[in-house]
Amino acid sequence: EVQLVETGGGLIQPGGSLRLSCAASGFSVSTNYMNWVRQAPGKGLEWLSVTYTSGDTYFADSVKGRFTISRDNSKNTLYLQMNSLRAEDTAVYYCARELSVKYNNGWYNWLDPWGHGTLVTVSS
Amino acid sequence: AIQMTQSPSSLSASLGDRVTITCRASQGIRNDLGWYQQKPGKAPKLLIYGASSLQSGVPSRFSGSGSGTDFTLTISSLQPEDSATYFCLQDYNYPYTFGQGTKLEIK
Repeated sequence: EVQLVETGGGLIQPGGSLRLSCAASGFSVSTNYMNWVRQAPGKGLEWLSVTYTSGDTYFADSVKGRFTISRDNSKNTLYLQMNSLRAEDTAVYYCARELSVKYNNGWYNWLDPWGHGTLVTVSS
Repeated sequence: AIQMTQSPSSLSASLGDRVTITCRASQGIRNDLGWYQQKPGKAPKLLIYGASSLQSGVPSRFSGSGSGTDFTLTISSLQPEDSATYFCLQDYNYPYTFGQGTKLEIK
C-alpha cells in the first residue's frame, strides 16, 4: 500500500527549531518529487516546499530561508527542517508525493497520496 | 504568486442536487489545476487533475472543467459522503497555490 506517515510535530517555543519526518511505504522517495503542505487551524491549505529527484528545491516565500527540505533515500524518508519558528507557523504539516503525466503542451501534476499530518504548535 | 479565488466559501445542498464550485486564477494556468476533497481530521484526497481528469477510484458523479483562468468542479448528484471541504490547487508554477476552500454541507 502506498502510504506516507509524518512524525515530529509538537509544542515548540518561538525561535526554536523542529524537524519533521515523513516515512514512505509502497514507493521510493528517491524517484519522486516530494512536497510539504501545511494547514493552520481553521484555515486553508498552504504549499510550502518541493524537492525534485535532481535535488532542486523550491520554497514558499513565507518559509524561504527558515525551512529546508531533504530526503534520506536509505530510510525512504522525507524531512522538513524548520528553524526560527514563529507563532504563525502553527499548523498541521502534511507531506505529499507529486506525480506527473505528460500531455500535449506540458505536464499535469498532482499531489497523491498525502500523509495524515503532524501538528506543530509554536507558543511560549 | 498566482492567486486562486474559490467560490462559494460554503454551501448547503440536498441529496441528489447538482453542485458547482468554481476557482478563478489570477493569470492563465492552462489546464494545470486539481481538485481535492478534505474531511475533518483527514488528509486531502485527490479528485481531479489536469482540470478534468478523474482520479482512479473517484466516483463518476465528480467532474471538472475549465481552462485558462476559470475552472469548475461539479458533483452531479450529491451523496451523504460528499459532505466535506473542497480545494482547488494550481500546479502551473511554484509556489503552488490553493483556493480558500468550499465547505459543503448536506441539508
